[in-house]
Amino acid sequence: KQEVTQIPAALSVPEGENLVLNCSFTDSAIYNLQWFRQDPGKGLTSLLLIQSSQREQTSGRLNASLDKSSGRSTLYIAASQPGDSATYLCAVSHYSGGGADGLTFGKGTHLIIQP
Amino acid sequence: GAGVSQSPRYKVTKRGQDVALRCDPISGHVSLYWYRQALGQGPEFLTYFNYEAQQDKSGLPNDRFSAERPEGSISTLTIQRTEQRDSAMYRCASSPYHRDGELFFGEGSRLTVL
Repeated sequence: KQEVTQIPAALSVPEGENLVLNCSFTDSAIYNLQWFRQDPGKGLTSLLLIQSSQREQTSGRLNASLDKSSGRSTLYIAASQPGDSATYLCAVSHYSGGGADGLTFGKGTHLIIQP
Repeated sequence: GAGVSQSPRYKVTKRGQDVALRCDPISGHVSLYWYRQALGQGPEFLTYFNYEAQQDKSGLPNDRFSAERPEGSISTLTIQRTEQRDSAMYRCASSPYHRDGELFFGEGSRLTVL
């Protein structure tokens, strides 16, 4: 059974710092990996999707890398801002029936950016 | 619609009652997923559909839980004879392409069973 672990569980840093969130998974035979952002009282927002054949994806100040063989992904946030404060979730899927099956999520990293 | 819409946003019910949670996916999205999220945890997969066909229901906790998507659009998650342990946020997501796998989530339905 796939297990996804996110470290750290919580992180508080001053505004402007660069930071790295870590995600590891036990079964490396994944179909894709996604990073989501969750704000209180809101739904989950997809940030980056990395297919199993890819090494990284970038969107603005966000960069996600994937090392499938070692079962690891990192989310790099450059020049952090108070608006980046949220819970960040990592999730992986497996191949099933021609596409991705349901995602397995980690518990998330609760990030606070201090103004 | 512009996004995934879930209703009701909040539902309080007494133990033993049946509840139905509705999900209206983004128009044209092929795949629809149901997840359950407890406080402080990541979402837990329940079931998913491609069009009207239920592809995987392995995550449904027991036979009190069922889901349908009869016309390949709106889906209903039904919980019969609710128990306190069913209290959670129930999240729906849709995806334009089953192969791609990128999911778009609704804001969820918060269920509280007294």
